[in-house]
Amino acid sequence: DTAVSQTPKYLVTQMGNDKSIKCEQNLGHDTMYWYKQDSKKFLKIMFSYNNKELIINETVPNRFSPKSPDKAHLNLHINSLELGDSAVYFCASSLPTGQNTEAFFGQGTRLTVV
Amino acid sequence: GDSVTQMEGPVTLSEEAFLTINCTYTATGYPSLFWYVQYPGEGLQLLLKATKADDKGSNKGFEATYRKETTSFHLEKGSVQVSDSAVYFCALGGSNYKLTFGKGTLLTVNP
Repeated sequence: DTAVSQTPKYLVTQMGNDKSIKCEQNLGHDTMYWYKQDSKKFLKIMFSYNNKELIINETVPNRFSPKSPDKAHLNLHINSLELGDSAVYFCASSLPTGQNTEAFFGQGTRLTVV
Repeated sequence: GDSVTQMEGPVTLSEEAFLTINCTYTATGYPSLFWYVQYPGEGLQLLLKATKADDKGSNKGFEATYRKETTSFHLEKGSVQVSDSAVYFCALGGSNYKLTFGKGTLLTVNP
């Protein structure tokens, strides 16, 4: 059983399109995240949700809109895609970090904007 | 704010060599510290963790000790294998609902 699963694994799309990436976790965690990994492997948090409530929005353009329909899902919708959005996007989940526990990551979605 | 400074790579070693990847951090309070590993084409996996000062995390022959006095969490392995080739990330977990990562260190182990 995959703990954190995200779909699709690869996404190639044209500039200006709107796309979504889905994420689901079956670990019973309250907190979910989206991270962006650039071509140099640098990981930067984009959003954090706790119990469906937005906790962190790290100055991400508002073309990116996360949606958490329930605690087990955190989807990422991106409007008007730009070349600079090309990256690998990782979903993750954890117990609230105040409990000093690790995050579990999905396999990533490689987004290529052409 | 919280930050993690990690030894820049790439690091290239021969099989059975000793590995050290340095990691230092800046944080308020008492964070947890983690090492994650990313194999080619895969997501991040937790390698080891330590939740308080002087704790030693260990897994698969890798070790790291949480040193509060030097704000460090250096990763070590006595004898690396080709299968250890990956990107290694040091990370800090505070009380603010996020992990802060270092920039990652690419390790290549040659036979």
